[in-house]
Formats: sequence, structure tokens, C-alpha cells
Amino acid sequence: DSGVTQTPKHLITATGQRVTLRCSPRSGDLSVYWYQQSLDQGLQFLIQYYNGEERAKGNILERFSAQQFPDLHSELNLSSLELGDSALYFCASSVADRTTDTQYFGPGTRLTVL
Amino acid sequence: AQSVTQPDIHITVSEGASLELRCNYSYGATPYLFWYVQSPGQGLQLLLKYFSGDTLVQGIKGFEAEFKRSQSSFNLRKPSVHWSDAAEYFCAVANDYKLSFGAGTTVTVRA
Repeated sequence: DSGVTQTPKHLITATGQRVTLRCSPRSGDLSVYWYQQSLDQGLQFLIQYYNGEERAKGNILERFSAQQFPDLHSELNLSSLELGDSALYFCASSVADRTTDTQYFGPGTRLTVL
Repeated sequence: AQSVTQPDIHITVSEGASLELRCNYSYGATPYLFWYVQSPGQGLQLLLKYFSGDTLVQGIKGFEAEFKRSQSSFNLRKPSVHWSDAAEYFCAVANDYKLSFGAGTTVTVRA
């Protein structure tokens, strides 16, 4: 158990809908990262927050957005969902925002778009 | 940005045999390298990491990896594989704030 929690574990929804994925980092960690794992794209970095502020963006679609709240939990919002958004979404956390900080991963949320 | 390549998509190994998974990184300054394991239906678990210093790194579950600058490699090894080692293994390199992952190697363990 990494100490990172993600809810829900599974999510099934329809095209065009909007969903919110939630992540609680390890106690004491200030950084939260979101990754997407799909069969065709592999594991891809989406976005990082550090202590409530966006720090880095990766291959995140404009339909996707995220935020980190004062209690340091984070939410990833996915809207106007398409079939291709079906994937496993991981949250990771680290103690700070240094390149050398180890990222600890949650169990993931499996999103299925029908 | 630095990247990693895992040349082997799938490896089958007998229980008790040794295992070596290959990872090559792109040229650049000293990379920060990681190996993660993903068991079926699970998240990613860190096995080991290399930042600097001793090029032979010990990790959890009996794994080790060796950083070889001359070969741009960071291969993962285990002397004797257990059935529970069947999983997908990812090599990753830290690029600024993010991890860039290889495509992964799936390990099957046969009895």
C-alpha cells in the first residue's frame, strides 16, 4: 500500500459525459501527479500540482482539467468524454517537486466510456 | 527531454531461473532512473531508483539494477524468479517534474 488513495476504483460512463476522479496523496506529500495508461499510448504524464499550484503540464487534452485543494487532495475532471478516453488513470504523490523525489502511485481509476 | 526504451515486450522465464529486463536511456546528463512493477489490477510499485553513486542498485523483492553509462543502460535483474514476480515492469526516467516511462515488459513465469 503506497498511501495514495484514488476513488472511484471503476467508472463506467457514456460518451459526452463528464466525470471527476479523486486522489488523496500520502500524508505529508505536497505534489500530486496525474498519469493516463492506455493500450495504445502507454503511460503518459498529464499534469502536476505542487501545494495547490499547477507546476507542469504534459499531454493533457483541453477537455481535461485538474486542481489541487487546500487539503492537498486533487481532482481530475474529464469532460465531453470520447471512447478513446477509456484508460487507467493514476495519481501519484511526492514529498516536494524535485526531480529526484520518488513518486508513489495510487491503485488507479479504470474509466470505461461506452 | 530524456526517454527510455524497453526492447522486450514480453519475456517468459521458468520459476527459479534468473531474469534480466533491459532498459536503454537516451543520451544526456546523468539521468534519474527508476524501475516500477505493476501487478495485474494493481498500481505501480517502485522497485528501485538510481540518481548517482554506486552503479549497482539494490531494490525490494530481491531485485537489483546496474547503471552502465557506456551502454546507456539500466537493466533490472533478479537471480531467482518466483511465480509472484509475474507482472509488467516499467523503466522510467525523470524529466523535470514528470516521469517518462518505457512501453513496459510483461514477465510470465512458468512452473
